[in-house]
Amino acid sequence: DTEVTQTPKHLVMGMTNKKSLKCEQHMGHRAMYWYKQKAKKPPELMFVYSYEKLSINESVPSRFSPECPNSSLLNLHLHALQPEDSALYLCASSQEPRGAYEQYFGPGTRLTVT
Amino acid sequence: GEDVEQSLFLSVREGDSSVINCTYTDSSSTYLYWYKQEPGAGLQLLTYIFSNMDMKQDQRLTVLLNKKDKHLSLRIADTQTGDSAIYFCAERDGGSQGNLIFGKGTKLSVKP
Repeated sequence: DTEVTQTPKHLVMGMTNKKSLKCEQHMGHRAMYWYKQKAKKPPELMFVYSYEKLSINESVPSRFSPECPNSSLLNLHLHALQPEDSALYLCASSQEPRGAYEQYFGPGTRLTVT
Repeated sequence: GEDVEQSLFLSVREGDSSVINCTYTDSSSTYLYWYKQEPGAGLQLLTYIFSNMDMKQDQRLTVLLNKKDKHLSLRIADTQTGDSAIYFCAERDGGSQGNLIFGKGTKLSVKP
């Protein structure tokens, strides 16, 4: 089983709302990732969690706040977003953060900020 | 910096072979991947190759790696309409913490 699940599939939120995206994997992977993908563009790395600790933050604005409550779960808390933050948010996981281990992606959450 | 380049579009007829090309700049790239993305969906890992390999075959997929020219290709034999999607080439330095560097993606259109 190489499944990464994400909820919700779609989210529409206003600029003053607070919402959260959720990601889950049960493969025992120790690295988890958030990517942002705009239309017709490749995914861009936002955050990397390694063994439940934030190891990479790619200069993401503070209105995006990641959280890793345990080794299977990854959240992305959203607050005071801008319309340009509308995108597909992809979660991924890999067995280890370094080495040959491939990243498996979830189906994504399509976020629209109004 | 690291860069991955792909042609943006490829159109083939059903039953033909498709060849999607990719070039990369990072000489320390240890692992190279091909992902498929269908409209509105996440990325599906298709295959990968290590930099100490020249070729890898998996059913209809053949990956060729030319390390000297830093050129990677994905050949899909007997292309089907279900293969229509965007294909991303990605590279990764095995010593780094998992950063995948993606190309811009090649949109493959398969005509019946």
